[in-house]
Amino acid sequence: KQEVTQIPAALSVPEGENLVLNCSFTDSAIYNLQWFRQDPGKGLTSLLLIQSSQREQTSGRLNASLDKSSGRSTLYIAASQPGDSATYLCAPQQGYNQGGKLIFGQGTELSVKP
Amino acid sequence: GAVVSQHPSWVICKSGTSVKIECRSLDFQATTMFWYRQFPKQSLMLMATSNEGSKATYEQGVEKDKFLINHASLTLSTLTVTSAHPEDSSFYICSGLRSNYGYTFGSGTRLTVV
Repeated sequence: KQEVTQIPAALSVPEGENLVLNCSFTDSAIYNLQWFRQDPGKGLTSLLLIQSSQREQTSGRLNASLDKSSGRSTLYIAASQPGDSATYLCAPQQGYNQGGKLIFGQGTELSVKP
Repeated sequence: GAVVSQHPSWVICKSGTSVKIECRSLDFQATTMFWYRQFPKQSLMLMATSNEGSKATYEQGVEKDKFLINHASLTLSTLTVTSAHPEDSSFYICSGLRSNYGYTFGSGTRLTVV
């Protein structure tokens, strides 16, 4: 059974800092991995999707890496802004022969202070 | 980009009544939709997998007679919470899969049972 752990659970930083959010998963047989952002009381916004054959993906100030064999992914946020404050969720996707399910970690709650 | 429209965004109902939540994929056909629930300060827990034209597959511990899922078309999936009780109060979110884009989530439905 896939288990996903995100560290840290919460993070509070001043504006401008570069951040690293960590995600580990127990079953390395994944199809891909997505990082999402969730604002309080809202749905999920997809940030980055990394295919299992890829090592990293970049979008603007965000960079996500994937080390499938060791069961780890990292989300790097450069020059953080108050608008980045949200909960960040990591979700590896199972292969379609296992149902293609997304399994979520508990998330990292990020607060960026002005 | 892929859009999933979820309605209603919030609903309050009396204990014992039923509530229907709709999810529509607006610009893509979702052969498979997933339904999640989320309690405060917790991550998303998969409830069931909804496949167009067939019966839903429920996760262990989820009562299929209580949470009725219908996926009658490639663009519409519904979740009906039957005989709702206060412990069913939660945030319910659906997601659809679009090839090469990963999963797209609805905006969620906040259910409060009084």
